[in-house]
Amino acid sequence: GAGVSQTPSNKVTEKGKYVELRCDPISGHTALYWYRQSLGQGPEFLIYFQGTGAADDSGLPNDRFFAVRPEGSVSTLKIQRTERGDSAVYLCASSLDGRYGYTFGSGTRLTVV
Amino acid sequence: GESVGLHLPTLSVQEGDNSIINCAYSNSASDYFIWYKQESGKGPQFIIDIRSNMDKRQGQRVTVLLNKTVKHLSLQIAATQPGDSAVYFCAENRSGGSNYKLTFGKGTLLTVNP
Repeated sequence: GAGVSQTPSNKVTEKGKYVELRCDPISGHTALYWYRQSLGQGPEFLIYFQGTGAADDSGLPNDRFFAVRPEGSVSTLKIQRTERGDSAVYLCASSLDGRYGYTFGSGTRLTVV
Repeated sequence: GESVGLHLPTLSVQEGDNSIINCAYSNSASDYFIWYKQESGKGPQFIIDIRSNMDKRQGQRVTVLLNKTVKHLSLQIAATQPGDSAVYFCAENRSGGSNYKLTFGKGTLLTVNP
């Protein structure tokens, strides 16, 4: 596609539930990033994929968060036992080879009630 | 200025004026810097970048200045237009080049009055 696509655009879930957020990067981009943006703050790094492997997952806040990219294209961010503090916009970005100036999607707004 | 809690620094300008948005970074090892524009409900949009071996870079209507001595970045927007209204973030790459994750600042809200 022309840009990075994220689905759903909005997700409301109950505390304790499991959610999956999907990112479809720009075709051919080998590098994929997940960031989280809380209200009034800048995005915070979560995880970086180069191809299928997670090259850096140091930003994942705890073991309730997990991400996969099994075929080196689409990625899914998975959050178990959601908490109200997980409410934020989850942004995905991709770049051609992990180099500078990557392209962000519009994000998934997650609300945990 | 500095942000406090959830309150973003704000800048309000008249259409046609020049805007200057400032950003301080903390890590002297950072070697790459980007300015992003974020409109409501959208992801950050790349505006311009600069590497640490440069002190100035110009784009279309935008200029980024880098002062490594005081760890300061600025974004200058010429002839600001209403469509420039958005939150602007500076971001730095701190990981020494092997991993291109970025650390973002808190952002500045630019409002352009017609």
